[in-house]
Amino acid sequence: GAGVSQSPRYKVAKRGQDVALRCDPISGHVSLFWYQQALGQGPEFLTYFQNEAQLDKSGLPSDRFFAERPEGSVSTLKIQRTQQEDSAVYLCASSFASTVATYEQYFGPGTRLTVT
Amino acid sequence: SQQGEEDPQALSIQEGENATMNCSYKTSINNLQWYRQNSGRGLVHLILIRSNEREKHSGRLRVTLDTSKKSSSLLITASRAADTASYFCATGPTGNQFYFGTGTSLTVIP
Repeated sequence: GAGVSQSPRYKVAKRGQDVALRCDPISGHVSLFWYQQALGQGPEFLTYFQNEAQLDKSGLPSDRFFAERPEGSVSTLKIQRTQQEDSAVYLCASSFASTVATYEQYFGPGTRLTVT
Repeated sequence: SQQGEEDPQALSIQEGENATMNCSYKTSINNLQWYRQNSGRGLVHLILIRSNEREKHSGRLRVTLDTSKKSSSLLITASRAADTASYFCATGPTGNQFYFGTGTSLTVIP
């Protein structure tokens, strides 16, 4: 079966451009997470969806970051007016459980964003 | 901020040897998970241990958890070159968040 997919795998943006990163979770997975991973660091939580509801966006670093999951499956992370500090790998993960604590997360390969 | 801290930051061993890496965390947890990340790839879940468990095995992996010391260890026995990767512990959840450490980079030399 297909795992979590993300597109594009690589994105180069000029400072000030807007970008949109897509995540296709595993079919039927209720929970979806976005993480930001800087070079040499572990993933840092950005936001969490349960179906189409964004239950936690406390990790989004600024109001330039926006995420949506309108039909409870595919999710898009949008970054407006990109800055160099936004350069990182953005990871999406999905989980079968609706309870965050219960099950492991399945990660996509990530989108490497480079802002020049 | 990241709650978990793995130790050592880097580890290099010969194929066939055992590899041990440790994770320390700061607050109480519901469970602790270990993940592997190969270069340029996403994370792969290895094992989950709940706060009321002390030890868990999965194939060549053995995880221990000591909640009184707020620490966990991951042992990989009879290592293989394919085990070369970064290993992260994730603790939580706090709300909806799991906190990942900075990782241990393991190199297994054939």
